[in-house]
Amino acid sequence: SQTIHQWPATLVQPVGSPLSLECTVEGTSNPNLYWYRQAAGRGLQLLFYSVGIGQISSEVPQNLSASRPQDRQFILSSKKLLLSDSGFYLCAWTPKGGAYEQYFGPGTRLTVT
Amino acid sequence: KQEVTQIPAALSVPEGENLVLNCSFTDSAIYNLQWFRQDPGKGLTSLLLIQSSQREQTSGRLNASLDKSSGRSTLYIAASQPGDSATYLCAVDIIQGAQKLVFGQGTRLTINP
Repeated sequence: SQTIHQWPATLVQPVGSPLSLECTVEGTSNPNLYWYRQAAGRGLQLLFYSVGIGQISSEVPQNLSASRPQDRQFILSSKKLLLSDSGFYLCAWTPKGGAYEQYFGPGTRLTVT
Repeated sequence: KQEVTQIPAALSVPEGENLVLNCSFTDSAIYNLQWFRQDPGKGLTSLLLIQSSQREQTSGRLNASLDKSSGRSTLYIAASQPGDSATYLCAVDIIQGAQKLVFGQGTRLTINP
C-alpha cells in the first residue's frame, strides 16, 4: 500500500530564517506531487505541483520554492520566511493517467514568529 | 477562474439525522470532483471521487452526487454519528491529467450525541 510522509510535524521559525519541508511517498512510482497551504480561516491553496523529477509548476507568486530531486520526494523551501508564511502545509500525491483520488499527508504546522 | 463555494460554513445536528452538505462551482468544465474529510490538525482523508461522466458515488453511509450543468454537488450523510464530526471539503479537478484541485472553504460539521 502507498504511504505519504511529511516532516517535521511542527516547526517554529523566526522571520527571515530559511525553511525546508520534506515529503516522501512510498509504494508507488512516478506520482504527481502537490504542495498546499492552509492558512487560518482560509481554504487550501495550491502552491506547487510536479508531474516528474525536476518538473515544477508554481501556482502562486511568493517567496517559496519547490524541488523534486527524486521521483517520490518533494521539498518546499524558502530562503527567508515572512510572517505571512505561517500555516498548515500539506503534501499530496496522485497516480498518473486517469481519474484518481488525491491522497494527503499528515501536514506540517509552521509558525513564523 | 474556477471558484468553489460550500454552504453552510458550519452545521450542527443531533445524532441519527440524515444531512446534506452542498458544494457549488462556477465553471462546469471540470474533470472530477472529490469530497474530503479533515479532522482538526490533521491532513485530508479522501471520501469519494466522482468522475465527470458519473452522476453519483456511494461509500457506506455517504452518497455524493454531481450535476455538472448546474455546477453543483451534494454529499449526503445518512444516520449521522458523533464520529462524523469534522470539516468536509469539496474540490474540483480543473486540468485533465495534472489533477489540479480547487477547493471550497469547507463545512464544519458537528454531530451532537
